[in-house]
Amino acid sequence: QVQLQESGPGLVKPSETLSLTCAVSGYSISSGSDWGWIRQPPGKGLEWIGSIYQSGSTYYSPSLKSRVTISVDTSKNQFSLKLTSVTAADTAVYYCARSFGSGWAFDYWGQGTLVTVSS
Amino acid sequence: QSALTQPRSVSGSPGQSVTISCTGTSSDVGGYNYVSWYQQHPGKAPKLMIYDVNKRPSGVPDRFSGSKSGNTASLTISGLQAEDEADYYCCSYAGSYIYVIFGGGTKLTVL
Repeated sequence: QVQLQESGPGLVKPSETLSLTCAVSGYSISSGSDWGWIRQPPGKGLEWIGSIYQSGSTYYSPSLKSRVTISVDTSKNQFSLKLTSVTAADTAVYYCARSFGSGWAFDYWGQGTLVTVSS
Repeated sequence: QSALTQPRSVSGSPGQSVTISCTGTSSDVGGYNYVSWYQQHPGKAPKLMIYDVNKRPSGVPDRFSGSKSGNTASLTISGLQAEDEADYYCCSYAGSYIYVIFGGGTKLTVL
């Protein structure tokens, strides 16, 4: 069974960089599939942040592209998210997920981790 | 790019059917057969219910079905059960710039 688990600081100061890691178990990242990050501000809807293909190609939301980097570490079977210059608007539950097929559907999700941006 | 448009809330009684709509544009919902639907219970991660407009992942009851007409996709839940009460989000591929766009979410209440 594929499982994903997010980890990282729960509190980040404004203007600093948010860094999260998603550990994947039950499936080898290097075997294929694509991997993404989605966030959900408290009480609001889902927002796609970006994804990384098995080829290493990355795709980002246009609204976040200038601040986002997604990378993969196949040796640790994990992938990561970095979001720079954060503000209170970046406070959200951050989910990592696996996508499949050409339609970018996300079939396995982590439990989510709340990141609060505050001084 | 604005989120796909969903009704804020829908409701139905046990055993009834409800349909949740998801309206986009020809650049997303209307342009590709890549609409997916997610169910989210409070405090939980979203769960994939429908992908590629009308395909169900293994384990999803056949009470859940998806369809699309023009720029509007729909999720229909038949034989409503109490455990179906949740938030539902549609999602569409939106081409090689936007890539992925979600709807604003619909709260389903089982009366």
